[in-house]
Amino acid sequence: DVKVTQSSRYLVKRTGEKVFLECVQDMDHENMFWYRQDPGLGLRLIYFSYDVKMKEKGDIPEGYSVSREKKERFSLILESASTNQTSMYLCAIQTGANYGYTFGSGTRLTVV
Amino acid sequence: GDSVTQMEGPVTLSEEAFLTINCTYTATGYPSLFWYVQYPGEGLQLLLKATKADDKGSNKGFEATYRKETTSFHLEKGSVQVSDSAVYFCALSAPGGSNYKLTFGKGTLLTVNP
Repeated sequence: DVKVTQSSRYLVKRTGEKVFLECVQDMDHENMFWYRQDPGLGLRLIYFSYDVKMKEKGDIPEGYSVSREKKERFSLILESASTNQTSMYLCAIQTGANYGYTFGSGTRLTVV
Repeated sequence: GDSVTQMEGPVTLSEEAFLTINCTYTATGYPSLFWYVQYPGEGLQLLLKATKADDKGSNKGFEATYRKETTSFHLEKGSVQVSDSAVYFCALSAPGGSNYKLTFGKGTLLTVNP
C-alpha cells in the first residue's frame, strides 16, 4: 500500500512567519492534494497538483502557495502565517482505481 | 456543481445499537461514491466505496448501497462498538477532465458509549 507522510504532526508558528508543510509519497502517483479541515466546515481544497511543476487552485487558495519540484513531494507554503490559518492540514494522493484518495495523518498547525 | 449532503451530527449511540448515517449527492454523470472514517487525531481512511448503481460497498461490518434513483449512499452498521467512535465523511468522485477531485460532505461525528 502507498504511504503518505506529512513531516510534522503538530506545529506552532508565529504570525507573519513563512511556513512550509511537506507531504511525501513513496510511490509514483501523479495527483496530490492539500486540504484544510475546520470544525463545521469539513474539508476544503486549497491546491492540487497533477504532475511535477503543475498546480491548480482549489476552493480556498488565498494566503497559500504550493511547490512540486519532484513527483513524490508536494509542499504547501503559508507566505505570511495568520491566526485564521490555524487548522488541521491534510495531504492526499489519488491512488488510481476508482479514484479514491490516500491521506497523510495530518498536521495540526497553530499560529499565535 | 457536484455536492454531497450528509446528516449533521453529532450522533450518539449505545454499544450494539444500529447505525445509519444518511448521505445524498448531486453530480453530473455517474460518480463513484466513498465513505471515509477519521479517528481522533488522525487523517482520513477509506472505509468503503461503490463505483456504479446498485453496488454495495462493505468493510468492518459497515455497508452502503449506491442508489442512483434516490442519489443516496447511506452508511449502515448493525451493531456499533465503542471503537467505531470517529468522524465519517461521505464523498464522490465525478469523472470530468483529467483530474478527478473528490467532493466531501461536512462529516458526521459518531460517539458510541459503552
